[in-house]
Amino acid sequence: KAGVTQTPRYLIKTRGQQVTLSCSPISGHRSVSWYQQTPGQGLQFLFEYFSETQRNKGNFPGRFSGRQFSNSRSEMNVSTLELGDSALYLCASSVDLGRSYEQYFGPGTRLTVT
Amino acid sequence: EDKVVQSPLSLVVHEGDTVTLNCSYEVTNFRSLLWYKQEKKAPTFLFMLTSSGIEKKSGRLSSILDKKELFSILNITATQTGDSAVYLCAVEKTSYDKVIFGPGTSLSVIP
Repeated sequence: KAGVTQTPRYLIKTRGQQVTLSCSPISGHRSVSWYQQTPGQGLQFLFEYFSETQRNKGNFPGRFSGRQFSNSRSEMNVSTLELGDSALYLCASSVDLGRSYEQYFGPGTRLTVT
Repeated sequence: EDKVVQSPLSLVVHEGDTVTLNCSYEVTNFRSLLWYKQEKKAPTFLFMLTSSGIEKKSGRLSSILDKKELFSILNITATQTGDSAVYLCAVEKTSYDKVIFGPGTSLSVIP
């Protein structure tokens, strides 16, 4: 079974630009969550999508948005990039089987804003 | 304000030791508590705990939740150098709210 894939793996953008990151979940997983990880703030939850609907949201400004497609693939968009948006962006897909829960992370997209 | 606290923040043990990592939380609308292991890459999911007193086990790792005292522990027995990592605790709140991560415990297992 293929794992969670994220593209691109590395990205360099300039302040003010926008960026779109992509995440393909494990086949059969309908939930995709996004996280931001920085040395200063640690791991922070961005949002979760399930069946094309945002089900959960963290405390990030509206510049951060996402969506999920009918095939469960998800995209995250950050508009008007700021230097502080430089981070590792992780996505994870999960499945809740009632008596068990599984979650798998992708390798992440390293975004550098200059 | 919601918060998740982990202790210790850093720990060095010898191979074969048993370690206990702590996670306490003050969160409204608690739904579940999650443990992750992170080496120099993306986190690996370990456990999700929703009910008090029910131990979850996976090999040498186990975890339990106390919803009355608002804490969870992660035990690792017979530690190995491969257990060296940052262990993250996170609390998930009920629907349409958020997931809050603790700062992590950095565990180093030396031969």
